[in-house]
Amino acid sequence: DAGVIQSPRHEVTEMGQEVTLRCKPISGHDYLFWYRQTMMRGLELLIYFNNNVPIDDSGMPEDRFSAKMPNASFSTLKIQPSEPRDSAVYFCASSLELRIEQFFGPGTRLTVL
Amino acid sequence: AQKVTQAQTEISVVEKEDVTLDCVYETRDTTYYLFWYKQPPSGELVFLIRRNSFDEQNEISGRYSWNFQKSTSSFNFTITASQVVDSAVYFCALSEAWLDSGAGSYQLTFGKGTKLSVIP
Repeated sequence: DAGVIQSPRHEVTEMGQEVTLRCKPISGHDYLFWYRQTMMRGLELLIYFNNNVPIDDSGMPEDRFSAKMPNASFSTLKIQPSEPRDSAVYFCASSLELRIEQFFGPGTRLTVL
Repeated sequence: AQKVTQAQTEISVVEKEDVTLDCVYETRDTTYYLFWYKQPPSGELVFLIRRNSFDEQNEISGRYSWNFQKSTSSFNFTITASQVVDSAVYFCALSEAWLDSGAGSYQLTFGKGTKLSVIP
């Protein structure tokens, strides 16, 4: 079975541009999570969905960040406008239930110049 | 407040040595889950193990073993006869979910990670 799929794997953009990160969770998983990993702050949960509905977005750093899950097999994380401090690795993860193990995608390394 | 502490930032061992990675946690809840994840140099996060707060049995999987001690709030990870392929950053994580005033709440907290280098 395919794991969590993320695209693109690498993204380099200029400050002010819109960035869209994509995720396909493992089929049958009801929960989807977006994380950001930086050297300074480690792994941070940004938002999570249950059955395509956003449940908690308190980790989203500011209004420039938005996430959607239009169906059970696709989610996007959008940054508009992007800033250099958004440079990080963004992970998507999915799980069958809320509290058990999450399976992570390979991540998207975002660089904002 | 929920917290995971991995006091060892970096560890270096020579191949075939045993190594233990420490994890200490704080939680207000009596029901919680603990995890270990591995992040090799390629960058992906690989799930290794889950342990729930009611199960204090130690677990062994090949060269890996985990020691969960509720009394000391620790969930340590030992690699026996380490190999170069074990070189990675290892994360301990704590998961809680509870209902407060009818609203659901969930937190998954990761430690800062321990970078393990196994030298041939």
